[in-house]
Amino acid sequence: EAGVTQFPSHSVIEKGQTVTLRCDPISGHDNLYWYRRVMGKEIKFLLHFVKESKQDESGMPNNRFLAERTGGTYSTLKVQPAELEDSGVYFCASSPQGSYGYTFGSGTRLTVV
Amino acid sequence: GQNIDQPTEMTATEGAIVQINCTYQTSGFNGLFWYQQHAGEAPTFLSYNVLDGLEEKGRFSSFLSRSKGYSYLLLKELQMKDSASYLCAVRTDSWGKLQFGAGTQVVVTP
Repeated sequence: EAGVTQFPSHSVIEKGQTVTLRCDPISGHDNLYWYRRVMGKEIKFLLHFVKESKQDESGMPNNRFLAERTGGTYSTLKVQPAELEDSGVYFCASSPQGSYGYTFGSGTRLTVV
Repeated sequence: GQNIDQPTEMTATEGAIVQINCTYQTSGFNGLFWYQQHAGEAPTFLSYNVLDGLEEKGRFSSFLSRSKGYSYLLLKELQMKDSASYLCAVRTDSWGKLQFGAGTQVVVTP
């Protein structure tokens, strides 16, 4: 089966611009998670979708971040306007209902300059 | 406070054994994961412990003591390809939310 796909793999934008990251989970996986790793820090939870609904968005840093999951399939994470501190690697992961483990994508490396 | 601690870096020789320790203090506990991550790649699943004891899977073993808030990952017969970052992560709720340690960079030398 195809894995979790994220794109772009890299994005360099200027402060104040908008960027949209996309995640395509494994087909049939109801659970979709977004995580972020800022330079030198641990990977941190951002939010969790179950199908198209946000189950937990407690990790979203502020209202410049907007996540959606259209029809319970792919998900987008928009940052608007981007700030320097948003630089990092954004990971997406998915899992089937009732599973304890999940599959990560390779991440999107976002650099805000 | 809530934290997950693991050493920053460990170096070992090819063919040797390395043990990566992880101590945790989290708001909830629904299991502990170990992931391997090579630079620029996705974290990949290595092991999952939810009950106390040792889980063995080939060259990799993982141990958990819930009362001590402690786990370790044991890598045996090290190979050069084992050079990577190893991430300890606690599942803190029943929905699958993970809290990660900062990772341990293992360097395998010839």
